Amino acid sequence: GAVVSQHPSWVICKSGTSVKIECRSLDFQATTMFWYRQFPKQSLMLMATSNEGSKATYEQGVEKDKFLINHASLTLSTLTVTSAHPEDSSFYICSAKHTGQGTRQPQHFGDGTRLSIL
Amino acid sequence: KQEVTQIPAALSVPEGENLVLNCSFTDSAIYNLQWFRQDPGKGLTSLLLIQSSQREQTSGRLNASLDKSSGRSTLYIAASQPGDSATYLCAVGGTSYGKLTFGQGTILTVHP
Repeated sequence: GAVVSQHPSWVICKSGTSVKIECRSLDFQATTMFWYRQFPKQSLMLMATSNEGSKATYEQGVEKDKFLINHASLTLSTLTVTSAHPEDSSFYICSAKHTGQGTRQPQHFGDGTRLSIL
Repeated sequence: KQEVTQIPAALSVPEGENLVLNCSFTDSAIYNLQWFRQDPGKGLTSLLLIQSSQREQTSGRLNASLDKSSGRSTLYIAASQPGDSATYLCAVGGTSYGKLTFGQGTILTVHP
């Protein structure tokens, strides 16, 4: 089955550090990937839609300069949290959709990255 | 703006019971609806995907129904097992490119 790999799974770093999270589709091509944020005991909130070869589309209220997204290939999207602060601590999850499958295929999710900023 | 609500927020049942999880959404103009399972500290596992033109989907002990006109979906779990304990999330696909709106989830505990 389709596999999405997310790395790293857990990051602890000091305030002010920039952190890069990778999302890879291992056995399929994904023109579109999505980045979500999940606070404890809450649901997933879409942050941005990542499109291969073009700029990401950010949801309202998400700072694009804070959360940099790059989707340079059909199998890799990265989310960089710049100058991270304790309020950025959260669980970040990516998902990927098969290229050309429209809405007939489910999205596949990575295992998430737990980011803790001290 | 699409809003997705899941009821109940938490459910605890003894092993072997059949159970129903509910999901409602405010905008019936959807492309699909997806049910996921999330284990603590983990990502999401897709359980069932129902297209907007479909009424239900089945996989093993799981059955999901969709009533688009009334904005409702149910996930039926037959003969529940302790391994079914997890958070179950309902997500509505409102665009052709796959954007999902999630409910708050139902935390299911199945005790032996």
